[in-house]
Amino acid sequence: AQRVTQPEKLLSVFKGAPVELKCNYSYSGSPELFWYVQYSRQRLQLLLRHISRESIKGFTADLNKGETSFHLKKPFAQEEDSAMYYCALISNAGKSTFGDGTTLTVKP
Amino acid sequence: SAVISQKPSRDICQRGTSLTIQCQVDSQVTMMFWYRQQPGQSLTLIATANQGSEATYESGFVIDKFPISRPNLTFSTLTVSNMSPEDSSIYLCSVLQAAGANVLTFGAGSRLTVL
Repeated sequence: AQRVTQPEKLLSVFKGAPVELKCNYSYSGSPELFWYVQYSRQRLQLLLRHISRESIKGFTADLNKGETSFHLKKPFAQEEDSAMYYCALISNAGKSTFGDGTTLTVKP
Repeated sequence: SAVISQKPSRDICQRGTSLTIQCQVDSQVTMMFWYRQQPGQSLTLIATANQGSEATYESGFVIDKFPISRPNLTFSTLTVSNMSPEDSSIYLCSVLQAAGANVLTFGAGSRLTVL
């Protein structure tokens, strides 16, 4: 069975501080991992995916297969980063599993 | 990426009635999904809408309660039947696009309140 765990339901940091949103997964095959973000009153949207190894809005995430983690990081948080963040895994068969989400609040 | 239109965006319904949510995609997609997002909780996959055949339901969800249609590669409906207040939730349509990597694109959601 596939599972995604986001241990922090709420995370609060000050503007300019580093932020890390944790995500751990369980999957027997080779997973595809994603971070999705939902800003207030907006639809859920893709932030980044592990396969492209890109940085979006200053966020990066590295897949660590040894630790089965895909933590999301940003060195300097901005107020506009305040949102709900979901880690997601998609299996080879296209089945998705989402974590419970982390609400990030960046304080001025 | 695909553009997904969902309607209604929100509705208030009476207990015991049924509501059908529509999902329209601007391009043909193979895989479409329906999710539920209850207040303060994560997304839960209800079912995969299969074109030309019966939907594949996840554990805890049954066809009698959540009948799904998928008449073609751009459209699907989800019906929430015999509603109760526990069905109050946001229902999301999503499509999977395999463009180098599987990417899920979501509709804006349909917020359902059952009185």
